[in-house]
Amino acid sequence: SAVISQKPSRDICQRGTSLTIQCQVDSQVTMMFWYRQQPGQSLTLIATANQGSEATYESGFVIDKFPISRPNLTFSTLTVSNMSPEDSSIYLCSVDGGDTQYFGPGTRLTVL
Amino acid sequence: DQQVKQNSPSLSVQEGRISILNCDYTNSMFDYFLWYKKYPAEGPTFLISISSIKDKNEDGRFTVFLNKSAKHLSLHIVPSQPGDSAVYFCAASDGMDSSYKLIFGSGTRLLVRP
Repeated sequence: SAVISQKPSRDICQRGTSLTIQCQVDSQVTMMFWYRQQPGQSLTLIATANQGSEATYESGFVIDKFPISRPNLTFSTLTVSNMSPEDSSIYLCSVDGGDTQYFGPGTRLTVL
Repeated sequence: DQQVKQNSPSLSVQEGRISILNCDYTNSMFDYFLWYKKYPAEGPTFLISISSIKDKNEDGRFTVFLNKSAKHLSLHIVPSQPGDSAVYFCAASDGMDSSYKLIFGSGTRLLVRP
């Protein structure tokens, strides 16, 4: 299994600002994923991030709004840009573990 | 268009009894299915998975059943314990492992009463 940490664990931000969320894994992994869980909703994949290549975004998510970096095999960041209250969600990173994806604890974001 | 559906938002079960959580899917290309448990303020924790070539997979108190013709899977927890109280998500992918995109259901909140 993989141990995943995320920073920050929670934040309250003003609309129009940006927040960068960090995801750190305790082992080298090829694929990392970023999900969003809006209040009362399911988890929705934002993008897949492989080291050394551009992130692949799902329908409804764009790089300008959610830029992702993947500088090495143990780390990734997701930035939520120009935030609005609709971006209030839990943001989770996960990594491929073969038979499952392992998830971080999530970052709870509230946008005022 | 929800490709993975969990139609029961909540379930309450007596300790020691069986908990049955259900999940339906619409995409016949899904080949791999997973169940996760989520406690508040934590990320989802993997419970059990099943590939489309099987109809049952068992791990301790947890058993997952897959009915491909009905596009239905269920998670059985026997016996249920108060510590099982959490939100359970089913997820599916169209690859044979979890390196592919996962599509999640909306979750079922399980309460196991002492």
